[in-house]
Amino acid sequence: GNSVTQMEGPVTLSEEAFLTINCTYTATGYPSLFWYVQYPGEGLQLLLKATKADDKGSNKGFEATYRKETTSFHLEKGSVQVSDSAVYFCALNSGNTPLVFGKGTRLSVIA
Amino acid sequence: EAGVAQSPRYKIIEKRQSVAFWCNPISGHATLYWYQQILGQGPKLLIQFQNNGVVDDSQLPKDRFSAERLKGVDSTLKIQPAKLEDSAVYLCASSQNTGNNEKLFFGSGTQLSVL
Repeated sequence: GNSVTQMEGPVTLSEEAFLTINCTYTATGYPSLFWYVQYPGEGLQLLLKATKADDKGSNKGFEATYRKETTSFHLEKGSVQVSDSAVYFCALNSGNTPLVFGKGTRLSVIA
Repeated sequence: EAGVAQSPRYKIIEKRQSVAFWCNPISGHATLYWYQQILGQGPKLLIQFQNNGVVDDSQLPKDRFSAERLKGVDSTLKIQPAKLEDSAVYLCASSQNTGNNEKLFFGSGTQLSVL
């Protein structure tokens, strides 16, 4: 079945540091890949997505590239801010299967 | 545009009691989802509705959990009787339709503590 594995947290970074959160997946067919973010006290919200191989999703300075050869969708940001502190979830779906989430990675950015 | 509304925000009950959660999706969204998020884990789908019909309830513990979506709008999720392991955040989400690329909109969730 479909599954997502993402790096364990928590991740603590200083402001303006470079961020990478690794995500790899197992899926049948041709999945769509997503990153969702959960800010403190708020609901999950879509951060970015990619629907086919080599697509790059981007939003708010975050990027992730759909790599079919390595079955990966790593999240990156060149310079993090305190306001980026949140829990980040990698997710996928394929065909008519429901969205499957990874366990989440908590990011704390300190000034 | 109003988001997905859920209530209550928090609920504390004793084991073997019953509890119900309510969700009002974004207006016009045909698909509604209930997810369970246990602390330290990602959300897990419990049930998916398309309008007022069930699309997927394969991971719903049907001996104690039930859900309905009367008239294809609001939905309620019930647990009866609750167990300690049901302590989790219950998330409701909606999307315009089903499909690979559909964006899900999540509510803030109901945090359930079973003592």
